[in-house]
Amino acid sequence: DAGVTQSPTHLIKTRGQQVTLRCSPKSGHDTVSWYQQALGQGPQFIFQYYEEEERQRGNFPDRFSGHQFPNYSSELNVNALLLGDSALYLCASSASGVRETQYFGPGTRLLVL
Amino acid sequence: GIQVEQSPPDLILQEGANSTLRCNFSDSVNNLQWFHQNPWGQLINLFYIPSGTKQNGRLSATTVATERYSLLYISSSQTTDSGVYFCAVNSNSGYALNFGKGTSLLVTP
Repeated sequence: DAGVTQSPTHLIKTRGQQVTLRCSPKSGHDTVSWYQQALGQGPQFIFQYYEEEERQRGNFPDRFSGHQFPNYSSELNVNALLLGDSALYLCASSASGVRETQYFGPGTRLLVL
Repeated sequence: GIQVEQSPPDLILQEGANSTLRCNFSDSVNNLQWFHQNPWGQLINLFYIPSGTKQNGRLSATTVATERYSLLYISSSQTTDSGVYFCAVNSNSGYALNFGKGTSLLVTP
């Protein structure tokens, strides 16, 4: 049973560019959440997708957008990259209930130069 | 939003020692999870424990929801226990996990 997978593992971009990160949830899960973890900090919630809709959003600008596909996989898009967007981006999947355990993927390390 | 505070921020132990990590939260929660983040960044689930006590090998956790805190116990620590331990909760009004700043643990031989 595959866990949560993310691609790519590492990415280097320059300021102003756009980036797309991908996530496939754990088998049997239909909900995907995205988190940003800056160096030395705890992960910060970006948004959660369920039934192909954004169900909840954290305190992130509109440059951060996402999508969920019918097979429950998800993409995170970041436009107009800033140096401060450099971070580890983590995807978590869960079943749809609010009391469900979230399982995290290995993350994508994004460096913006 | 809900606040999560973890203590201590840093901990250095010798192999074989025991430790207790604490997580305080500011509001009622319907989900509380403990994670271990390894040096490669992977968040590994340790416990889902919104209330009560659980044990898994050398690790155990207790959450007292009415007093808004959780404790993670590590017994007979090993060098492989090194890393950052996070507590994360979601409030009754949302789906987001809110993380503390973590406890950085170093276990020396």
